[in-house]
Amino acid sequence: ELKVEQNPLFLSMQEGKNYTIYCNYSTTSDRLYWYRQDPGKSLESLFVLLSNGAVKQEGRLMASLDTKARLSTLHITAAVHDLSATYFCAVAGGATNKLIFGTGTLLAVQP
Amino acid sequence: ETGVTQSPTHLIKTRGQQVTLRCSSQSGHNTVSWYQQALGQGPQFIFQYYREEENGRGNFPPRFSGLQFPNYSSELNVNALELDDSALYLCASSTTGWGTDTQYFGPGTRLTVL
Repeated sequence: ELKVEQNPLFLSMQEGKNYTIYCNYSTTSDRLYWYRQDPGKSLESLFVLLSNGAVKQEGRLMASLDTKARLSTLHITAAVHDLSATYFCAVAGGATNKLIFGTGTLLAVQP
Repeated sequence: ETGVTQSPTHLIKTRGQQVTLRCSSQSGHNTVSWYQQALGQGPQFIFQYYREEENGRGNFPPRFSGLQFPNYSSELNVNALELDDSALYLCASSTTGWGTDTQYFGPGTRLTVL
């Protein structure tokens, strides 16, 4: 059974600092997604990573995928308050696009 | 292009009742997936419909059932509601049920079971 773990579960950062969220998954998959969720809101797609070594960047966020290590990272550069949200990684399980989500990382950026 | 929409936004039911949640997929999408998100948890896959047929199911009991209509909109039905069914129910649409398509999520329906 595919399992997805994220760490840390909670991250309090100061504005301007850098940090990384880690996503580990238990079985082979070549499709990994990152989503953002604001409190009480739905999920916003951030990145889709489809191959080993894939790296994607959007603004202050950069995601990478290492399929051999079954690890994805979401790196935050020079955090700003607007990045405060819960971040989920999700791995596609099986032939269908069923998503298995991690536990989420609650990011709080303090001024 | 319209996004994924869901109705109702909020719903309060009592144990034992039945509920129907609705989802309209994004224009051009023929696949709808349903997820349950309990408070403080990640979404859990319930099932997926592709061109009106169930295309995969998660670990949910049979009292969770669904439909997809010819216009690719979808319903999630839950019978004999239990307190643990209280959650945010999200639907997501994509172009196909396979491969690398990104799933786009609707705003969700918050279900409270008393």
